[in-house]
Amino acid sequence: QSVLTQPPSVSGAPGQRLTISCTGSRSNIGAHFDVHWYQQLPGTAPKVLIYGDLNRPSGVPDRFSASKSGTSASLAITGLQIEDEADYYCQSYDSRLNGWVFGGGTKLTVL
Amino acid sequence: EVQLLESGGGLVQPGGSLRLSCAASGFKFNHYGMNWVRQAPGKGLEWVSAISGSGNSPYYADSVKGRLTISRDNSKNTLFLQMNSLRVDDTAVYYCATNLTQGVFWGQGTMVTVSS
Repeated sequence: QSVLTQPPSVSGAPGQRLTISCTGSRSNIGAHFDVHWYQQLPGTAPKVLIYGDLNRPSGVPDRFSASKSGTSASLAITGLQIEDEADYYCQSYDSRLNGWVFGGGTKLTVL
Repeated sequence: EVQLLESGGGLVQPGGSLRLSCAASGFKFNHYGMNWVRQAPGKGLEWVSAISGSGNSPYYADSVKGRLTISRDNSKNTLFLQMNSLRVDDTAVYYCATNLTQGVFWGQGTMVTVSS
């Protein structure tokens, strides 16, 4: 059971917009700790898509954006592309656990 | 350029020990906390341990307390994870990672396999 809750899977057609939710609690996202988002392709290390709630590292397309409100955060992907098929994880910090916490991951399928 | 390079993974029998290292470069190592995160085959990401920049404050996930020990050598810009009493369910890719002012950075990981 992950501390942060994500949908196990989402799917969309090429060109569509979709969002992935990440629900936490008052000891992590709700305590204003940063949320980070990762994309992971099979057999590779997680790639940082969004850090510090809404910042994109250089090289990440602006099709990826994120938001946060209360105890939840979300990742939005516009103009869905085949190469976006991957697993996506949200991550924050938890003051009760004194460590990083992750969502269980969301598998994105492009139909 | 920030770089994190893990090493030390391998095959070990249940009950055995292993020491992982993470060589860091491109940032002021002693200014930042460091983390170990693992991913079992086919599973999600799991935070394992963290240590403050000074090395005085280690933190652990309940699943590894008493068996894994995090440490760092700031003179060598290196993070360590001493793994004792290893179990089959410790089998995973182990990543070191850090949250810097300019972003979050991860290494490429090192595989630890616990099997008889």
